[in-house]
Formats: sequence, C-alpha cells, structure tokens
Amino acid sequence: TQLLEQSPQFLSIQEGENLTVYCNSSSVFSSLQWYRQEPGEGPVLLVTVVTGGEVKKLKRLTFQFGDARKDSSLHITAAQPGDTGLYLCAAPTGGFKTIFGAGTRLFVKA
Amino acid sequence: NAGVTQTPKFQVLKTGQSMTLQCAQDMNHNSMYWYRQDPGMGLRLIYYSASEGTTDKGEVPNGYNVSRLNKREFSLRLESAAPSQTSVYFCASSLQGGNSPLHFGNGTRLTVT
Repeated sequence: TQLLEQSPQFLSIQEGENLTVYCNSSSVFSSLQWYRQEPGEGPVLLVTVVTGGEVKKLKRLTFQFGDARKDSSLHITAAQPGDTGLYLCAAPTGGFKTIFGAGTRLFVKA
Repeated sequence: NAGVTQTPKFQVLKTGQSMTLQCAQDMNHNSMYWYRQDPGMGLRLIYYSASEGTTDKGEVPNGYNVSRLNKREFSLRLESAAPSQTSVYFCASSLQGGNSPLHFGNGTRLTVT
C-alpha cells in the first residue's frame, strides 16, 4: 500500500518565523502535488513537482522534490497569518487515482 | 466562474436513511471524483469517473453508489447511511488523469446519527 506521511501534524508559530513541513513515503512517485485547504473550503493546488531534485518557488513558499522522488518538503519564509491552513501533499499513483497525506495544520499568530 | 459546486453544504441523517450528494462542474473537465475526508486520515477516493459514461471504484467504495449524469454532473448516493459514513465529502474534477490537478468543491459535511 502506498502511503504519504506528513510531519509535523500540527504547527503553531508567530508571524515572521520560518518553517518546513515534510511529506515522506517509501514509494517512488512520478510527481507530487501540494494543496492548501482553508476551513470550510476544498483543497486548492499550490504546485506540482515532477523531477527528482526539483525546486519550485511560489512567493515565500519553496517546494522541493527529493532526488529519489520519494519525499518532498515545503518551506515557508517569514510566515504570515494568511498562510494559516491545512497543507496536504498528494501523489498520482497511476490512471485516475491520487493518494493524499493526512496534512499539516499550520496556525500563524499575528 | 463557479468551478465545482456541491449541494447540500450540510446534512444530518438517521441510520438507514438514504440521500444523494450532487456535484456539478463548469470547467469542461473530463474526469470527476468523490473523496471523503476524515480527521487524521487525509482524503480517500470513493469513486471516480474517468469520462462521461464510465465510473470506477476507488479506495473506499463500500456503501456508496455513483452516477455520471452527463459531462458536468456526478452524484454520490448513500442507500442506507451508517454512522461510519459521517465525514466531509468532496467532489473534484480534472481535465484528465495522471498529473492533472484536481479542482475541488467546498464539501458536504454529513453527520449520521
């Protein structure tokens, strides 16, 4: 069974701090996606990484795909209250199926 | 541009009752999905429809049925609700399979007592 494990499960930080969240698996994936979900809403795609070692930046968010394509990280620089939400990693597993991690719930205090 | 629209937003059922969750997308996507989200377990795929006229089981299909009514609409039916089906249900669509990003609706929060 393919699994995505995210850590930490919960993170509460002050505005301006930096943080990194992780998504790990023992399986190799062709790509990995990161979504953000806000309360009462559905997940929204932030980025897709497809090449081992790839780094993508989205403003203050930096996403990296592991060299072996088994893991990924999301680094946020100078977190803001607007970054509060549930961050989910996801991996297409072939055809039309995508598996999701359980998520990291981030709370940024002003 | 509404994207993916789900109804209802909230529902309370008694054990054994039935209901249908409705989903419609206006992005001309080929593929549609139903997921459930439970605390600590992430999103799990219930059923999907790769294209109009086809449906397939996902990871947790037991107790559910689906209908792909046309290209826009994909419904999820609970014939005899059970407390284990208490969850938040999300409909999603994508242009195609593989790496195509999923576009989600805002969910239906279902409680079965």
